[in-house]
Amino acid sequence: QKEVEQNSGPLSVPEGAIASLNCTYSDRGSQSFFWYRQYSGKSPELIMFIYSNGDKEDGRFTAQLNKASQYVSLLIRDSQPSDSATYLCAVILNFGNEKLTFGTGTRLTIIP
Amino acid sequence: DVKVTQSSRYLVKRTGEKVFLECVQDMDHENMFWYRQDPGLGLRLIYFSYDVKMKEKGDIPEGYSVSREKKERFSLILESASTNQTSMYLCASSHETGSGNTIYFGEGSWLTVV
Repeated sequence: QKEVEQNSGPLSVPEGAIASLNCTYSDRGSQSFFWYRQYSGKSPELIMFIYSNGDKEDGRFTAQLNKASQYVSLLIRDSQPSDSATYLCAVILNFGNEKLTFGTGTRLTIIP
Repeated sequence: DVKVTQSSRYLVKRTGEKVFLECVQDMDHENMFWYRQDPGLGLRLIYFSYDVKMKEKGDIPEGYSVSREKKERFSLILESASTNQTSMYLCASSHETGSGNTIYFGEGSWLTVV
């Protein structure tokens, strides 16, 4: 089992709709969870991080963490064509250890 | 703004050549990382460093070595490049906060080994 798993997509969502991206992780001891956005040919950029169970909102983005079920999700409200990118889920196992383990990413396409 | 600079953006090297990929950060970060990114495999950690002259193996260190002689600079070395090392290489740096939310990536170096 991979440490961090994502559906590779592509995921197509109409403009203005909610895009839902999911990620599961295998190590129950994982402490910190991140969502990165990566445009084609560019480096990843951090868009959300979450440490505690529940929801965390930042603008159009909401990260959701459920440690009991070992999944983390990212919701993008009012999807825009500029949101079309690959979204990478990443996990840090131990707080204090900055080593990120990444999923393979989900390619999201917003259809105008 | 944090800046992580990878000096070589696009390189073409021959099999067997020694290759140096340089990374410099300007925010006095303690931690530095080298990842490679391949289609379908995501980002995989090659090596990381928590301090000057300190290095630890990541998930795929075989065929690579690193050097960190100064805090701001972290070099990835391919001692004898092979075609399966053709990839995009990403350098990253972060503060030693333990939170992970200060990790910043460079722009990437595309290496082709022929």
